[in-house]
Amino acid sequence: NAGVMQNPRHLVRRRGQEARLRCSPMKGHSHVYWYRQLPEEGLKFMVYLQKENIIDESGMPKERFSAEFPKEGPSILRIQQVVRGDSAAYFCASSGTGADYGYTFGSGTRLTVV
Amino acid sequence: RKEVEQDPGPFNVPEGATVAFNCTYSNSASQSFFWYRQDCRKEPKLLMSVYSSGNEDGRFTAQLNRASQYISLLIRDSKLSDSATYLCVVSGGATNKLIFGTGTLLAVQP
Repeated sequence: NAGVMQNPRHLVRRRGQEARLRCSPMKGHSHVYWYRQLPEEGLKFMVYLQKENIIDESGMPKERFSAEFPKEGPSILRIQQVVRGDSAAYFCASSGTGADYGYTFGSGTRLTVV
Repeated sequence: RKEVEQDPGPFNVPEGATVAFNCTYSNSASQSFFWYRQDCRKEPKLLMSVYSSGNEDGRFTAQLNRASQYISLLIRDSKLSDSATYLCVVSGGATNKLIFGTGTLLAVQP
């Protein structure tokens, strides 16, 4: 039973390029959350998705960032025209439904913008 | 004011010491409370949930005081392997998103 799978583990992009981060939730989990951790800071909520729906995107920057969780395939966090300030660790977490909202985090994608 | 506040540390303690972490949260509607552990450059991992009645897991004891919106974690007989950043986390509301404190760094010295 694989955990939450994120890839790539490390991603280097030049300023102005696009970054695509992928997250496959645990088997049976239908809720995906994305968090960002800037250097020397805590994790900050970005977006919460269920299959084919964005439920809460209150933590997403207004521009350049988008997320999706299609019916088939992994959830994608897309950052267009990356800037140095986007350099961070991006963690995905998944959970199932029901009263026990246990979170399982993936090992993260470390994005470096050069 | 931050939603979840923690002492950033670092806490440098000798092996065998007892360490206490404190945390306050601002949203009185918060419903669930956790302590997570994060090792350097790794993902956060759930250490334990926190309940009003208090709960214990081996050397770890967590307490919640809803009236004062205060959460604590006590580690007894600390080990070298306890060295990590300890994150206070709250959640609540329809989306159950987690709100993280910035974490307290613990360094256990031999």
